[in-house]
Amino acid sequence: KNQVEQSPQSLIILEGKNCTLQCNYTVSPFSNLRWYKQDTGRGPVSLTIMTFSENTKSNGRYTATLDADTKQSSLHITASQLSDSASYICVVSAQKLVFGTGTRLLVSP
Amino acid sequence: DAGVIQSPRHEVTEMGQEVTLRCKPISGHDYLFWYRQTMMRGLELLIYFNNNVPIDDSGMPEDRFSAKMPNASFSTLKIQPSEPRDSAVYFCASSSTGTGYSYTGELFFGEGSRLTVL
Repeated sequence: KNQVEQSPQSLIILEGKNCTLQCNYTVSPFSNLRWYKQDTGRGPVSLTIMTFSENTKSNGRYTATLDADTKQSSLHITASQLSDSASYICVVSAQKLVFGTGTRLLVSP
Repeated sequence: DAGVIQSPRHEVTEMGQEVTLRCKPISGHDYLFWYRQTMMRGLELLIYFNNNVPIDDSGMPEDRFSAKMPNASFSTLKIQPSEPRDSAVYFCASSSTGTGYSYTGELFFGEGSRLTVL
């Protein structure tokens, strides 16, 4: 069964600290993986996309990694800001899109 | 572009009432998706359209749910009769490409319609 699991379910960190969110998938055949950021009360917005051949991709303070062998991806946030407080959703593309249930991040001042 | 526009943003209704959610996709996007989001299950695809034609409605929970896309700039999701378990946030999204294998396009989501059925 195609599944995407994210961990942790929720996370609280202090402003300025780094954090890493995990995404494990059992989707086959794998095409690509996208991370979305969803602010409270808003729709998800794409942060980055990882294709099969990519290992690392950065978007400002956000860095995504992909290990296609272990079927794992991570999203690393550097020097967190209050505005990073949001849910982060991992979406894997196969024959259709498979969504994770997200990690809720709270950055505390 | 104004992005995907959904209305209403919030809807509170009583069990048994009809609910209609509306969506205007981004101009030029040929694909329109309706998703439902709950804390327990995350985002779930209900139905999607390509060029105004419903392609996959396997995610529609039951006959109480129906969706239409009469033209390229408008879609509705209707629930009749509504039940408390329908309470969720309903998102409309559009894309310039489909979501099959090797899909690399981006989904553009609206702000969502939060539905509460009492």
